[in-house]
Amino acid sequence: AQSVTQLGSHVSVSEGALVLLRCNYSSSVPPYLFWYVQYPNQGLQLLLKYTTGATLVKGINGFEAEFKKSETSFHLTKPSAHMSDAAEYFCAVSQAGGYNKLIFGAGTRLAVHP
Amino acid sequence: DAGVIQSPRHEVTEMGQEVTLRCKPISGHDYLFWYRQTMMRGLELLIYFNNNVPIDDSGMPEDRFSAKMPNASFSTLKIQPSEPRDSAVYFCASSPGLAGVNTQYFGPGTRLTVL
Repeated sequence: AQSVTQLGSHVSVSEGALVLLRCNYSSSVPPYLFWYVQYPNQGLQLLLKYTTGATLVKGINGFEAEFKKSETSFHLTKPSAHMSDAAEYFCAVSQAGGYNKLIFGAGTRLAVHP
Repeated sequence: DAGVIQSPRHEVTEMGQEVTLRCKPISGHDYLFWYRQTMMRGLELLIYFNNNVPIDDSGMPEDRFSAKMPNASFSTLKIQPSEPRDSAVYFCASSPGLAGVNTQYFGPGTRLTVL
């Protein structure tokens, strides 16, 4: 069965520092992978997704993620954190057998300090 | 497009009362999802519909929960009777195709408090 593990429920960085949020997945089939972001008191919105093709995926707000099959990872990065990046980030993998739904990780809360 | 619309945004009720949450998906989207988010359990998929038909309700916690989608533009999630452990944020989401491939668009959520 598919599953997602996000390492670190809380990550804290300084403004301008590198953001690295870790995601590892397990999947019995070629996975489709997603990162969603949730700002306070809002629903989730898509940051980026990997389906096929180039393994380095660029998303909104300067975020990117790289699909590494050998490491079963899909880590999210941003070179320079902004205060506005403070939010909760969810990694998700599509469920095999029709790709009808997503399996979400537990989430990582990112705090950005001045 | 107005996005996914949910109502009410906040609901406070007493244990034993019936609660109905409402959702209007984005026009043209043929998949609709109901999620529940809590601190303890994170984001859980409760049920999803394809073309108004319930496909997978394995996430519905118990018989007190029911969901309907009478037409392409409206869905409800009902809890009867409600219990304090049902307190959570409930999200509705829609997508224009298979959720495992396409983007899911989430509503702002309904924060339910059961006293």
